[in-house]
Amino acid sequence: SAVISQKPSRDICQRGTSLTIQCQVDSQVTMMFWYRQQPGQSLTLIATANQGSEATYESGFVIDKFPISRPNLTFSTLTVSNMSPEDSSIYLCSVFRQESYGYTFGSGTRLTVV
Amino acid sequence: GEDVEQSLFLSVREGDSSVINCTYTDSSSTYLYWYKQEPGAGLQLLTYIFSNMDMKQDQRLTVLLNKKDKHLSLRIADTQTGDSAIYFCAESTQAGTALIFGKGTTLSVSS
Repeated sequence: SAVISQKPSRDICQRGTSLTIQCQVDSQVTMMFWYRQQPGQSLTLIATANQGSEATYESGFVIDKFPISRPNLTFSTLTVSNMSPEDSSIYLCSVFRQESYGYTFGSGTRLTVV
Repeated sequence: GEDVEQSLFLSVREGDSSVINCTYTDSSSTYLYWYKQEPGAGLQLLTYIFSNMDMKQDQRLTVLLNKKDKHLSLRIADTQTGDSAIYFCAESTQAGTALIFGKGTTLSVSS
């Protein structure tokens, strides 16, 4: 299955600032997915990122708050903008590998906003 | 919209079998997955099943799918303390589309 390197693994940020999370995949993939896992909760899809087009956001998530870049088939970034304590969560990226029908996840970014 | 439901907690004794249940609402769900998340760790893919299958077995894991009732279960045989974790059921309607997750079942194994 695909190997995903996600950075940073954790961060503590001041409210009002922004944090950019990076995911690097070891092979080319068409779609990358960004999820949020709030404390003690399940995973909620933020957006789907295709290379060369704007990301598709789920209800409740907007581009101004969570801008996503997808400059090539192996890399994507998610920015959490103008952070508040409610943004404290684990953020995960994921890819689908056609040959295995499996979805692989990055190790996650544990964000705490103070 | 799509929805995936799971019971929140399950407690078993070491050596017993564990059965974690999941129901989904979207009849076009084609790919159904089980993931494991240990405390402070990422998501580990355990197994998956296609909608044209009724059962899949992989070592201690058995997945049963009842399409009519939209019910999926994960049986862990000879449960060990190392199996203590949160287990997520997830589904997608099409290969490559985003997974929709259930809320997760916390499995607690006592010795």
